[in-house]
Amino acid sequence: DTGVSQDPRHKITKRGQNVTFRCDPISEHNRLYWYRQTLGQGPEFLTYFQNEAQLEKSRLLSDRFSAERPKGSFSTLEIQRTEQGDSAMYLCASSLMALNTEAFFGQGTRLTVV
Amino acid sequence: SQELEQSPQSLIVQEGKNLTINCTSSKTLYGLYWYKQKYGEGLIFLMMLQKGGEEKSHEKITAKLDEKKQQSSLHITASQPSHAGIYLCGARMDSSYKLIFGSGTRLLVRP
Repeated sequence: DTGVSQDPRHKITKRGQNVTFRCDPISEHNRLYWYRQTLGQGPEFLTYFQNEAQLEKSRLLSDRFSAERPKGSFSTLEIQRTEQGDSAMYLCASSLMALNTEAFFGQGTRLTVV
Repeated sequence: SQELEQSPQSLIVQEGKNLTINCTSSKTLYGLYWYKQKYGEGLIFLMMLQKGGEEKSHEKITAKLDEKKQQSSLHITASQPSHAGIYLCGARMDSSYKLIFGSGTRLLVRP
């Protein structure tokens, strides 16, 4: 296993279009997280899963955003009716299910909305 | 995040010099994590600190968490160009498993 994998690495879309990103976590990791990072800032938490259950969502996650992890393995993040303000790096991370354990991040998907 | 302040925002040092990056929280920390990020790439895990007074080292990088668990420092000894990048501190501030991140410190090491 080579780590957390995200696809695509880059996505350019027109405003109003829907986009979907995929994240494949490290295989034995139960927890999966999505973050968003804009230029010059640290990552902002969006949501996280423990197995297939979505346990926490940030208020940053508007109704246009939805995330799934149907079988407790890979996850998808969909943004509907994209806006220019959605342009950012979307980062996925995964970790073991322990109280204090490090999360490992993927390379991210850079979204540009034009 | 205003809950987690990093300083300085950017740092330029000459190769071989030592440097320190600070991360200060407005709340007691449940866990403190240091990551490094190259521009346009993902985050690379460096170290995790949990207990007040804890100190960890890896190669030339040392991280400490103060006794009150509200401040951490990252110290690089004899810096090298390979240390250049963005250093991010992330913290668990409650029983949730999400991390709150600082805005990062951009480090440039001149050869």
